[in-house]
Parts: sequence; C-alpha cells; structure tokens
Amino acid sequence: GQNIDQPTEMTATEGAIVQINCTYQTSGFNGLFWYQQHAGEAPTFLSYNVLDGLEEKGRFSSFLSRSKGYSYLLLKELQMKDSASYLCAVKDSNYQLIWGAGTKLIIKP
Amino acid sequence: ETGVTQTPRHLVMGMTNKKSLKCEQHLGHNAMYWYKQSAKKPLELMFVYSLEERVENNSVPSRFSPECPNSSHLFLHLHTLQPEDSALYLCASSPRGEAAEKLFFGSGTQLSVL
Repeated sequence: GQNIDQPTEMTATEGAIVQINCTYQTSGFNGLFWYQQHAGEAPTFLSYNVLDGLEEKGRFSSFLSRSKGYSYLLLKELQMKDSASYLCAVKDSNYQLIWGAGTKLIIKP
Repeated sequence: ETGVTQTPRHLVMGMTNKKSLKCEQHLGHNAMYWYKQSAKKPLELMFVYSLEERVENNSVPSRFSPECPNSSHLFLHLHTLQPEDSALYLCASSPRGEAAEKLFFGSGTQLSVL
C-alpha cells in the first residue's frame, strides 16, 4: 500500500529552528508538496519538490531525497504565527495525491 | 484569502436531513475537488471535476452527490448521512488539474451529523 509518515505533533520555541520530517512509500513519484493549515482555515501551499535537494523560500526550506523516500520542512526563526498543522503530500505514478495525516506544530514563547 | 469560498462554514444535520455544501472559486481554474478531512487522518479525495466533467469518484457512498454546474461552482449534496460522516469537507481548485500544480483550498465546512 501507499503510505506517508510524519510525526503527529511537535513543539518548538519561538525564535528557534524546527525540522518536520516526512517519509513516503508510494508507487512512483511525481513530486512532493508541503501545505500549512492553521486551525479552522484552508490549507495553503508552501513548497513543491520534484528533484533532490533543498529549496529555500524565506524562513521556510524544503528538502527532498527521492532515493530515501524522504523529505523535510525546515522552519527558521520561528514565530507564534507558525503554530499550525503541516501536511506532506506525494503525487504517485498515476498523479494521485497521497496525503500524510499532518504534523501539528506548537510554538511556545 | 485563497480565492476559494465555501458555505456554510458549519453545519449540523440529522441523519434524515438533506443539505448541500457550496464551493465557489473566481480564480479561473478548470479543476475542482472535494476532500474529506477527519481528525488525525490524511485528506481523503472524494471527487474531481475537470472542465465541469467528473473525472474521479473514489468509491464514495451514494449519500454524497456532487454537482458542478460550471467551472466556478461546485456543490456536494448530502442525504441520509451517518454519524461517521462528521468531518471537515474541503473544496479545492487548480488551474488545469495537472501534476505539478498546487491546490487552492477553501476554509471548509465543518459538518456534524447527529
């Protein structure tokens, strides 16, 4: 079966750095997405990786290793507004999006 | 604001009721989606429409009935639901429904079935 694994919940301190991991086992690979979802709000797109390596976008970076079936989302200089759920999703060989259950990130002062 | 609007935001219904969820996008997108989001579970794709034609139906029970009258509007008609159908129902759109496209989500309808 196809599977996306990410931690259920993480806690970090304001101003610090946090890394949210995502591992996947899918039939084929056509890209990996990260979305942010604040409580009661719409998920919003953060990043897309299709090639190995690091993509940096301001305070947020996303890394992909296709050979390891692994990605991480790195958040730097954490702010209270970064408290949210972070969803990892992979497009398989049929271009179907396979979703993880999300990681709830709690930021403490 | 993502450009995708869902109404109502909250809905409580009995198992014998009939209700409809509405989704509207003014982004000029050609593909629209219904997802179910249950607590601590992955998003479940329910239906996909591309250019107003249904292109995917992931074994969803017939008590859920989608309708896409035009490329800007999507409905999910509900009847004789079960308590386990209680969840957040998210609508999304994308420009052409292609592989590398990101999805634009609405804020969802939180549905409670009593």
